[in-house]
Amino acid sequence: GEDVEQSLFLSVREGDSSVINCTYTDSSSTYLYWYKQEPGAGLQLLTYIFSNMDMKQDQRLTVLLNKKDKHLSLRIADTQTGDSAIYFCAETISGGYNKLIFGAGTRLAVHP
Amino acid sequence: EAGVTQFPSHSVIEKGQTVTLRCDPISGHDNLYWYRRVMGKEIKFLLHFVKESKQDESGMPNNRFLAERTGGTYSTLKVQPAELEDSGVYFCASSPSRGLTGELFFGEGSRLTVL
Repeated sequence: GEDVEQSLFLSVREGDSSVINCTYTDSSSTYLYWYKQEPGAGLQLLTYIFSNMDMKQDQRLTVLLNKKDKHLSLRIADTQTGDSAIYFCAETISGGYNKLIFGAGTRLAVHP
Repeated sequence: EAGVTQFPSHSVIEKGQTVTLRCDPISGHDNLYWYRRVMGKEIKFLLHFVKESKQDESGMPNNRFLAERTGGTYSTLKVQPAELEDSGVYFCASSPSRGLTGELFFGEGSRLTVL
């Protein structure tokens, strides 16, 4: 079945790196995504990775994809208080359109 | 450009009542999706419209839920009669028909509380 698993909570000190992990089940996923939800707001796409890539870097964000283990991670360097939010991992499933399967979200808390 | 807008932002109703949620997608987006997040759990797919047609409604919980998208523009999601377990945040998202990355553009959600 389709399932995306994430740890529910992560607490880091400001300036440290944050690593949020995710496992997924559909090996045919074309894209994998990280969405961010700030308090009182909707989900916004943070970054994505195409399934034939192992790594993608975008400024402070690094996405690592291990297809063999179906493991996706998001690393945020120099974490700031503004990074406090819920981060959702999502995978596309086969079907010819953009149906996303989401995890439960990881709440990132950044403290001074 | 306006984003995806949802109304109401929060609705509190009693068990047995009816609620209708509305979503206005980004203009020109053929794909419209409804998702739901219950009690801090995963965001679950409900259904997908392509223009006015239901492409996939496999995630709809039961026949108390009715979604429509007349004219292929805005969509409504009606819950009738509402039950306690229907409480949660209902997200609408849209995407263009030829999006390169599969990104969905989400609204801020409609929080439904059933008492």
